[in-house]
Amino acid sequence: EVQLVESGGGLVQPGGSLRLSCATSGFTFSRYSMNWVRQAPGKGLEWVSYIIGSGSTIYYADSVKGRFTISRDNAGNSLYLQMNSLRAEDTAVYYCARCLEDVRALLYWGQGTLVTVSS
Amino acid sequence: DIVMTQSPDSLAVSLGERATINCKSSQSVLYSSNNKNYLAWYQQKPGQPPKLLIYGASSRESGVPDRFRGSGSGTDFTLTITSLQAEDVAVYYCQQYYSAPYSFGQGTKLEIK
Repeated sequence: EVQLVESGGGLVQPGGSLRLSCATSGFTFSRYSMNWVRQAPGKGLEWVSYIIGSGSTIYYADSVKGRFTISRDNAGNSLYLQMNSLRAEDTAVYYCARCLEDVRALLYWGQGTLVTVSS
Repeated sequence: DIVMTQSPDSLAVSLGERATINCKSSQSVLYSSNNKNYLAWYQQKPGQPPKLLIYGASSRESGVPDRFRGSGSGTDFTLTITSLQAEDVAVYYCQQYYSAPYSFGQGTKLEIK
């Protein structure tokens, strides 16, 4: 059974940093592209970042470029999102999501971790 | 960047009736080399993560009931629920994965009339 479990969310002050983790199991992690998607309270989905299985290709939303860094540990089956210079508008539930094998649609999702940026 | 626009923002349909949600992309998401549309549809119920329903504009993910149908090509797409069931109440999103950033539509809230 495929499982994605996010952790690392919490309350942080504006300008602060946070590192999210996504622990995975039930599939060969290195074979799949992974994403972070966020959802502000009561709002729609916003795609945040993508990383290919090897880690060699990475994309970001314009809203987080230069502040967030996606990475992965294929030996440890984990995905990460380092978030720096956090703003109030980064407040959201952050989901990690796995792509289909050869298609970048998002098949498996974690339950999400809440990040709140507030003083 | 590709902008995805869904219509309507909300929709109320009677049980057993057809529900139709539209999604328009600001540029084509049809990849000419393989003739595939890089468009997905998701369903999100309150308190849950999204669920993939359709990818490639019209391919139903395994286990998704066949009352969910995706259609369209290029820039105009439609998600049709042919006979609405109570458990279909949710917010529906389209997403393009043709080019990064892989943008979502704003969502369409589907309710029972």
